[in-house]
Amino acid sequence: KAGVTQTPRYLIKTRGQQVTLSCSPISGHRSVSWYQQTPGQGLQFLFEYFSETQRNKGNFPGRFSGRQFSNSRSEMNVSTLELGDSALYLCASSSPDGHALNYGYTFGSGTRLTVV
Amino acid sequence: EDQVTQSPEALRLQEGESSSLNCSYTVSGLRGLFWYRQDPGKGPEFLFTLYSAGEEKEKERLKATLTKKESFLHITAPKPEDSATYLCAVQVTDSWGKLQFGAGTQVVVTP
Repeated sequence: KAGVTQTPRYLIKTRGQQVTLSCSPISGHRSVSWYQQTPGQGLQFLFEYFSETQRNKGNFPGRFSGRQFSNSRSEMNVSTLELGDSALYLCASSSPDGHALNYGYTFGSGTRLTVV
Repeated sequence: EDQVTQSPEALRLQEGESSSLNCSYTVSGLRGLFWYRQDPGKGPEFLFTLYSAGEEKEKERLKATLTKKESFLHITAPKPEDSATYLCAVQVTDSWGKLQFGAGTQVVVTP
């Protein structure tokens, strides 16, 4: 069965631009979480969506936003990009009931964003 | 404030040399503790979830244990393919979809 698919894999953007990243969860999974991974801060939680509703949000500025569609696919958007936004952005999906305890969260391979 | 601390930061092992990684945590209420491995350029790969103190889980050469304050990941007779960064994460009660990760332990196993 297909895993979590993230597109694009690599992206180079200029400061001040905006960017949209896409995540397709495992078929049947309705929960999608987003993380930012950097060498200095490690993996940090951005937000989580379940059935098109944001259930949880991390401590990131409002420039970071997301949404989820009725087919569970999710997008995250970063506006007014800063150099410090350069990172690996990962999304993860969990089991159909939205509880990951028995199955863990399955991560995609991420989108490597470089801001120049 | 919830905290997850992993030690050591890095570990270099000879093939066959068993060792343990530590994950200590301070959380308001533990829903579950997760172990992942991450290879360079890839997303974390799920290994185990532990829910309550005293619980143990095994997978091939890996065994994870949980107490009220920490978890250990034991690597028995490691092989070079066990080289990776091992990440520990906690999910606290009433925190949907959010895993709080430790900084990871980078393990290198040499032949």
